[in-house]
Amino acid sequence: DAEITQSPRHKITETGRQVTLACHQTWNHNNMFWYRQDLGHGLRLIHYSYGVQDTNKGEVSDGYSVSRSNTEDLPLTLESAASSQTSVYFCASSANSREQFFGPGTRLTVL
Amino acid sequence: QQPVQSPQAVILREGEDAVINCSSSKALYSVHWYRQKHGEAPVFLMILLKGGEQKGHEKISASFNEKKQQSSLYLTASQLSYSGTYFCGTGYGGSQGNLIFGKGTKLSVKP
Repeated sequence: DAEITQSPRHKITETGRQVTLACHQTWNHNNMFWYRQDLGHGLRLIHYSYGVQDTNKGEVSDGYSVSRSNTEDLPLTLESAASSQTSVYFCASSANSREQFFGPGTRLTVL
Repeated sequence: QQPVQSPQAVILREGEDAVINCSSSKALYSVHWYRQKHGEAPVFLMILLKGGEQKGHEKISASFNEKKQQSSLYLTASQLSYSGTYFCGTGYGGSQGNLIFGKGTKLSVKP
C-alpha cells in the first residue's frame, strides 16, 4: 500500500545545530508540503513543492530550507536550530489540488 | 489570509448536532476539511470546490458558499468517534494545491 513516512519521529537537538527531517511518499504525488503545528496556531505552511526541482516558501519559511531531487522525497533542513523551532512537523503530499495525505509527524525539541 | 474558524471549541453529548464555520477574507477556490485526533496526523474528510457544492461523509456534511467566502461543516447525531480537532484548509485560484489552514475547532463528544 502507498504511504507517507517521516523520520525521525522524535528528535532532541541543541540550539545552533543543523537538523534534517526526512519525508518519503510512495503515492507518486507531484505535490509535497511541510507544516509545523503549535498550540493556538493550527497548521502553518513552511515550504512546498509542485514537482522535482521545484520549491516554494510558505508563510513561516525563515530558518528552513527544502530541496526536491526526486518525486518521493522532500527533506526539511533547519540550518541553525532555534528554540522557537520546537514544534511538531508534518509532511503531506497530494495529487494536484486533491486531498492531502499527512505523515505521522516528527516531534522536534530544540534545547 | 488565514481563514477564521468558529467556534474555537464545542462540547456535545452523543447524538447532538454541531456546526463548524470557516470564513475567508479572500475569494476561495476550494475548501478542504480535516479531522485530527490527539497525537495523530490530520485525516482528510472532504473537499468542496467553488459552485455552492455540498458533500457528505457518513453523518458529516459540508457546504460552500462562494459569495460569502465561507464553508460550514455539519456533524449530525454525533458519535464519540467524532471527537477531535477539525481544520479547514482554504485554496485560492492559482494555488495549485497548497492550502492555508485555520486554527482549528476542538470538538469533544461526551457519552
